[in-house]
Amino acid sequence: RKEVEQDPGPFNVPEGATVAFNCTYSNSASQSFFWYRQDCRKEPKLLMSVYSSGNEDGRFTAQLNRASQYISLLIRDSKLSDSATYLCVVNGVSSNTGKLIFGQGTTLQVKP
Amino acid sequence: DADVTQTPRNRITKTGKRIMLECSQTKGHDRMYWYRQDPGLGLRLIYYSFDVKDINKGEISDGYSVSRQAQAKFSLSLESAIPNQTALYFCATSDPSRGDNQPQHFGDGTRLSIL
Repeated sequence: RKEVEQDPGPFNVPEGATVAFNCTYSNSASQSFFWYRQDCRKEPKLLMSVYSSGNEDGRFTAQLNRASQYISLLIRDSKLSDSATYLCVVNGVSSNTGKLIFGQGTTLQVKP
Repeated sequence: DADVTQTPRNRITKTGKRIMLECSQTKGHDRMYWYRQDPGLGLRLIYYSFDVKDINKGEISDGYSVSRQAQAKFSLSLESAIPNQTALYFCATSDPSRGDNQPQHFGDGTRLSIL
């Protein structure tokens, strides 16, 4: 089983739609969680951290479910500019390493 | 100017050649990382460094070496390049001063093709 798993998609949605991505992680000791966005052939950029209580940043909402070991990202009112690959990222469990484990990414294509 | 700069941005070379990829940062972060990205495989960690002259292997270090002679610079070398090292390479930094598991900040990437 992969340490971090995502549905690769692609998710094709119309502008204005709400879309949700899920991600599961294998190690229950993981403590830090992030969503990154990556545009084609560009570097990954931090979209948002994921906190235990859930957090929202504009049209984006991240949730963490520790019991089921999954993380979600909800995008409301999708824009054409949201088209990208979204990477689920979890910290490596070994202490004091700063290592992050990246999922393969979920591709979103927003259509006019 | 970018906070994390990689050079070169693109490189095409032949099997057996020695190649060095450079990464420099102006963020003042102690931790630096090298990843490669291949289609369908996501980002995989090659090497990482927590401080000057500190070197740690990642999950796919074979065939690679690194050097950290200054806080701001972390270079990756392919001693004898082979075609399956063709990939997109990213350097990243993180700041442990606010805790161990901070997000990482990436450079623009180096697209490397080995013929």
